Amino acid sequence: EAGVAQSPRYKIIEKRQSVAFWCNPISGHATLYWYQQILGQGPKLLIQFQNNGVVDDSQLPKDRFSAERLKGVDSTLKIQPAKLEDSAVYLCASSLVGLAGPYYEQYFGPGTRLTVT
Amino acid sequence: RKEVEQDPGPFNVPEGATVAFNCTYSNSASQSFFWYRQDCRKEPKLLMSVYSSGNEDGRFTAQLNRASQYISLLIRDSKLSDSATYLCVANTNAGKSTFGDGTTLTVKP
Repeated sequence: EAGVAQSPRYKIIEKRQSVAFWCNPISGHATLYWYQQILGQGPKLLIQFQNNGVVDDSQLPKDRFSAERLKGVDSTLKIQPAKLEDSAVYLCASSLVGLAGPYYEQYFGPGTRLTVT
Repeated sequence: RKEVEQDPGPFNVPEGATVAFNCTYSNSASQSFFWYRQDCRKEPKLLMSVYSSGNEDGRFTAQLNRASQYISLLIRDSKLSDSATYLCVANTNAGKSTFGDGTTLTVKP
């Protein structure tokens, strides 16, 4: 079974530039998550989708971050404009179900390591 | 205060030792709990789920105390390959996941 795919794996940009990350979840997984993981910290949930609807985006800095999952499958996360503090690993994860219960594990992609200079 | 708090670590133990990690959660709406393992520069992977009063998987035992809002992970007979960061996770019924900052374990020969 193919895992969660993410691209690019690495990205270096200057502050105030824009960047986009792509994620393709495991086939059949309705729930998709985007996390930000800063070095030395645990993953912080940015946004959670159930199919193509947003379940939780309370920690998404909406003035600069946006995300979409138009057809309920793959997703993109965009940052515009980037700040130095956005340097982190951006992890995408998927699971079988979210709203129906909290008991399914999340499968993570390899992440995108973003450096903002 | 963070919603999920873990021992800061790092834990440095010799092979064969028993080590325990603690985790507390503050959101009373949390319904299910997990331990994930994260190797350096890799993505997190599920180690164990923790349901009701806890469960065991080989050398690993996870315990849950809902009254105290406390979760633990016990690793017996530590192996070099157990060296990693261990992340505690609490999920609400809505499926929202909150991760702790992790505890780093180094097992030495």
